[in-house]
Order: sequence, then structure tokens, then C-alpha cells
Amino acid sequence: AQSVTQLGSHVSVSEGALVLLRCNYSSSVPPYLFWYVQYPNQGLQLLLKYTSAATLVKGINGFEAEFKKSETSFHLTKPSAHMSDAAEYFCAVSSRYNFNKFYFGSGTKLNVKP
Amino acid sequence: GAVVSQHPSWVICKSGTSVKIECRSLDFQATTMFWYRQFPKQSLMLMATSNEGSKATYEQGVEKDKFLINHASLTLSTLTVTSAHPEDSSFYICSAPDRGKNIQYFGAGTRLSVL
Repeated sequence: AQSVTQLGSHVSVSEGALVLLRCNYSSSVPPYLFWYVQYPNQGLQLLLKYTSAATLVKGINGFEAEFKKSETSFHLTKPSAHMSDAAEYFCAVSSRYNFNKFYFGSGTKLNVKP
Repeated sequence: GAVVSQHPSWVICKSGTSVKIECRSLDFQATTMFWYRQFPKQSLMLMATSNEGSKATYEQGVEKDKFLINHASLTLSTLTVTSAHPEDSSFYICSAPDRGKNIQYFGAGTRLSVL
């Protein structure tokens, strides 16, 4: 069984501040992990993914995430927030045995204050 | 641009009617597509796996007679919500994997409101 927990349904940061969005997963098999971003009225866009290579994964728009097996975490970070980062972010897990079957967290809305 | 097109983006219907939602992969073929449902402030929940040329696979608790899925071609899957009721009001999202790129693309979603 697989599941994802995202702590904090809403996160607010100031422009230029560090962004940290938390994701913890549960998986009985080695997981693949993803972060997606959703802007209003748009589809989910892949930010980055972990598929068992380097544990620190760099994605688009300056985001990165680190896979920590001991903590079952895959937190998303960005050193300096931009106004354009305001969106909803989803963490997802799939398995190596069924790559395309995703299980999502409940999402975190990021607000960036000027 | 969008690589998975979902239509319509918003639909309002009367209770008891059926609603069809289309999901198309653009520029790539998808033998498998996925349908998700999202209630307000909740996670995207996988409803079913749509398989081209064969029956869909439904997740536990999803009524297959309520949510009819047809995957008649390599670029099109449809989800029909039959005899819709207000509790079916939700946000429905489809996805399709581009196996050549090992990436899963998502549609923009369809907001269904049943009056």
C-alpha cells in the first residue's frame, strides 16, 4: 500500500524567502516520488521526480527535493521564493512495479507575499 | 502547450442526467490513461485505469456502472458519469503516460457541478 501526507494545506512566505513544502510517504515497495505544481485552471506540471538515482533531485524553476529513506520524506525546497511560485503543489508516489499508478497528497497552496 | 487535453473544463448538469468527459493525448499515443477525482481540499484519488481496447480497471470503492470508461483509441479515453447526483460534483482529472519520455502528463481537469 502506498500513501502520501503533505503537512500544511497552506504555506505563506515572503518574496525572497525560503520555500519548504513537506511530504512524507508510505510505501511497501521502493517508491518513485514526484512533485507537481498546479496553476489555476491548468493541469498538473511535473516539477521533479525521484526514481532511485541521486537522492537530491533538482527540478524546474529552481526547486529541488531530497529523498530521505530513514525519514520517509521528500520535502520540496526553493532558496528564494518568487511571486510566480504561488500555486498549489502536490506530492505523489508510485512504485517501481506500477510506475504509472500515482497516489497523491492533499496538496499545499503556496502564497507568496510581496 | 498542453500535451493532454481534457474537455469540457466545466460542466453543470441536472440531477439524473449523464455527463461525458473526454481526455485526449496530443502528439503521443497512450495505451493506458488514468482518471482521478478530487474533492475540495482533498487529495486526487485514483478512480480507474483506462486500457485501450479492453475493460477499465477500477479502484476499490469506485462504482464501475456509475463511472463508465471507454478507451476506444490510442489517443482518447472518455469518462461518463451516469445518472449524476449532487454527490458526484467534483473535479475530475485524467492523465496519460508518454512511455517514450517516461513522463506522466495531466489534463487541466473538469469541474462537474450537479444541481
